[in-house]
Amino acid sequence: NAGVMQNPRHLVRRRGQEARLRCSPMKGHSHVYWYRQLPEEGLKFMVYLQKENIIDESGMPKERFSAEFPKEGPSILRIQQVVRGDSAAYFCASSPPGGSYFTGELFFGEGSRLTVL
Amino acid sequence: SQQGEEDPQALSIQEGENATMNCSYKTSINNLQWYRQNSGRGLVHLILIRSNEREKHSGRLRVTLDTSKKSSSLLITASRAADTASYFCATGPAGLETGTASKLTFGTGTRLQVTL
Repeated sequence: NAGVMQNPRHLVRRRGQEARLRCSPMKGHSHVYWYRQLPEEGLKFMVYLQKENIIDESGMPKERFSAEFPKEGPSILRIQQVVRGDSAAYFCASSPPGGSYFTGELFFGEGSRLTVL
Repeated sequence: SQQGEEDPQALSIQEGENATMNCSYKTSINNLQWYRQNSGRGLVHLILIRSNEREKHSGRLRVTLDTSKKSSSLLITASRAADTASYFCATGPAGLETGTASKLTFGTGTRLQVTL
């Protein structure tokens, strides 16, 4: 009964490199949400995806950041040409598509902590 | 600006005391949820209250919602050292049909420290 799986848990990159963060949702969940958390702060929404479809990317920076959730495989959050300000914890959450028994809660992974040197 | 802002930002109490955290939000909501985050970990859902509810209980947790004031409170009774964590409120957008998936907007959190 695995929960939301994120990897890597910790990632160190030098400025200008690329970071790829992966998220496998809970079994039966087809909706994925990415959030960013800076130290001592709350979670900031980035993007909401269904399989092969971006539902809401209003929180994504316009440049360097992209996300996908392919038909097969995990969701990927990709950060190109990382800068020091990208250092943060990135959390993935998942939910079922909905239904009469769905309460609206999100199920979170343990996060991926990106450090940019 | 934050959709949800918790206060206090930090709270330190002794084991056995009650802890009360407040959350204010700005826009209309469908539901309000509270999550706990232990240091270095992911968020765990605690309790959800719908916009047409005023109070809800779950074990040692009591949450209230006042939509006229756009505020909510979370009460943890008889606190334990294991309750030490950050607590976040999160809101689901208005206009959503019950049972529909949506993103949540999180507040800034309250850091609770429970000492022995």
